[in-house]
Amino acid sequence: QKEVEQNSGPLSVPEGAIASLNCTYSDRVSQSFFWYRQYSGKSPELIMSIYSNGDKEDGRFTAQLNKASQYVSLLIRDSQPSDSATYLCAVINQGGKLIFGQGTELSVKP
Amino acid sequence: NAGVTQTPKFRILKIGQSMTLQCTQDMNHNYMYWYRQDPGMGLKLIYYSVGAGITDKGEVPNGYNVSRSTTEDFPLRLELAAPSQTSVYFCASGHMGENDNEQFFGPGTRLTVL
Repeated sequence: QKEVEQNSGPLSVPEGAIASLNCTYSDRVSQSFFWYRQYSGKSPELIMSIYSNGDKEDGRFTAQLNKASQYVSLLIRDSQPSDSATYLCAVINQGGKLIFGQGTELSVKP
Repeated sequence: NAGVTQTPKFRILKIGQSMTLQCTQDMNHNYMYWYRQDPGMGLKLIYYSVGAGITDKGEVPNGYNVSRSTTEDFPLRLELAAPSQTSVYFCASGHMGENDNEQFFGPGTRLTVL
């Protein structure tokens, strides 16, 4: 079982819709969870961090964490073509390693 | 602050050559990481360090070495380059605090081994 798993996509949504990205992790004692955005040919850019159960909102982005289900998600409201990128879920495990999922490619169609 | 800087941006190596990828951060972060990313794939952890003088292996350490003599620098060494090491290499840094564990990435080094 991979430590962090994401659907690779691609996920295609129309402009203005809500994009929902999902991630599961295997290390039950993980405490820190992140979503990064990566444009083609660029380095990952941190867009959200979440540390406790529930929702965390930042502008059009909402991260949701459920530690009991070992599940973290990212919602993007009012999706824009500029949101088209690969979204990487990352978890810091018990040993302090920052481990990434394989990424979900999002395409927002005008 | 320059953040996390990496040099070189691009490099072509011949099989069997060696090189060092440089990574420097000016944010006084204790944690530093090296990742490789193959086309269409996620980030694989090569090595990481929790502070000066301390390093540990990640998921794919074979063929690489690291050192951490200062807080700022975390170089990655390839001793005998192989075509399988063709990849984009990213360095990241951050600190480990309660609810404050954000890690930041450098711009990457694109390496081709022929």
